[in-house]
Amino acid sequence: EPEVTQTPSHQVTQMGQEVILRCVPISNHLYFYWYRQILGQKVEFLVSFYNNEISEKSEIFDDQFSVERPDGSNFTLKIRSTKLEDSAMYFCASRDSGGAQPQHFGDGTRLSIL
Amino acid sequence: AQSVAQPEDQVNVAEGNPLTVKCTYSVSGNPYLFWYVQYPNRGLQFLLKYITGDNLVKGSYGFEAEFNKSQTSFHLKKPSALVSDSALYFCAVRAHNNAGNMLTFGGGTRLMVKP
Repeated sequence: EPEVTQTPSHQVTQMGQEVILRCVPISNHLYFYWYRQILGQKVEFLVSFYNNEISEKSEIFDDQFSVERPDGSNFTLKIRSTKLEDSAMYFCASRDSGGAQPQHFGDGTRLSIL
Repeated sequence: AQSVAQPEDQVNVAEGNPLTVKCTYSVSGNPYLFWYVQYPNRGLQFLLKYITGDNLVKGSYGFEAEFNKSQTSFHLKKPSALVSDSALYFCAVRAHNNAGNMLTFGGGTRLMVKP
């Protein structure tokens, strides 16, 4: 069964550094998402992306965050200047066309900011 | 705005017994409702969804969920629990008219099935 893959599985970064989290969505999917889960807390929506542009973003997704689909397969989340509170598990998801299609999630990247 | 509540942090059941994991939601308009399961060090795995129609929906691994519009609930059920069902379960909602299609998740319920 096709899967969403995320790399790296664990990223350790110094505060203030830039970090790029990478995702390869399921190949025929057109809608892409990033979520995060701070340890012990809810899974929170960050951003949705369709047709090469952001369709919706949350309050968390401020100017420090950006997303990109640099080629036909990758979908990236960049945090420009990381803060301690950015430490979390970041999940990428994708879904097929059709409003009721479920989102399929990757196994996540654990981001640790020191 | 949309929101989901999972009132139980943990549910304990004995293997072979029926299980219920509760979920209530709030959304403007008609909802799409989803259940996901998360095993340790893994992502969220889709279990089942409600779109419209029959209130009882069936999903993977013998799970089912019952949609109740008047109570705005979407409880997850299984007639006979397995030890391997032990995991973290998340309920999620989004409105039909949500352009960005974002999911709003509940806080999760840890299911512990004991032999």
